[in-house]
Amino acid sequence: DVKVTQSSRYLVKRTGEKVFLECVQDMDHENMFWYRQDPGLGLRLIYFSYDVKMKEKGDIPEGYSVSREKKERFSLILESASTNQTSMYLCASSFGQTNEKLFFGSGTQLSVL
Amino acid sequence: AQRVTQPEKLLSVFKGAPVELKCNYSYSGSPELFWYVQYSRQRLQLLLRHISRESIKGFTADLNKGETSFHLKKPFAQEEDSAMYYCALSPPGETGANNLFFGTGTRLTVIP
Repeated sequence: DVKVTQSSRYLVKRTGEKVFLECVQDMDHENMFWYRQDPGLGLRLIYFSYDVKMKEKGDIPEGYSVSREKKERFSLILESASTNQTSMYLCASSFGQTNEKLFFGSGTQLSVL
Repeated sequence: AQRVTQPEKLLSVFKGAPVELKCNYSYSGSPELFWYVQYSRQRLQLLLRHISRESIKGFTADLNKGETSFHLKKPFAQEEDSAMYYCALSPPGETGANNLFFGTGTRLTVIP
């Protein structure tokens, strides 16, 4: 079974802090994604990566950056956290270059105070 | 532009009643369509995809190109079906899987 692991289930940070959200997958998937999930807005894509050191902006990249130094790990970085970044963050991965099944992590609930 | 619309944010049905979660999409071509489900305290997971034409946990979804709909149906709802359901669309033939567009979700509650 594919496993996508997000390092933290809950995080509480203060405005202005630098925040790292880590995601690791164990199935050698090429593609990795970061989404945020908000009530009434559904899932929105922040960034994705289809190879090591490659990254592409999604629909809402502002205020975020990512890092993919190794194939299995995809980090989401909030350079200076703001209260409007309080959300549930979901990491996902998939195999191949076509529209393959996405496997999701269990999510990180981030609260920025 | 691609858009997925789930008109109902909340849907409640009684156990044993039929359930239909609506999904409409706007796309000029032939997209791939999916239903994802998130049970309480579990991760988001794929429920079914239209190209598989399968029934998962009693759910089916038929792609109606004329009405641009992909409604999710189950004839007899069970309490364990209570969850958040997301419809998603992906335009075909594009690389990178960067183009999975999600609806805003419908929370289904099955009343015992």
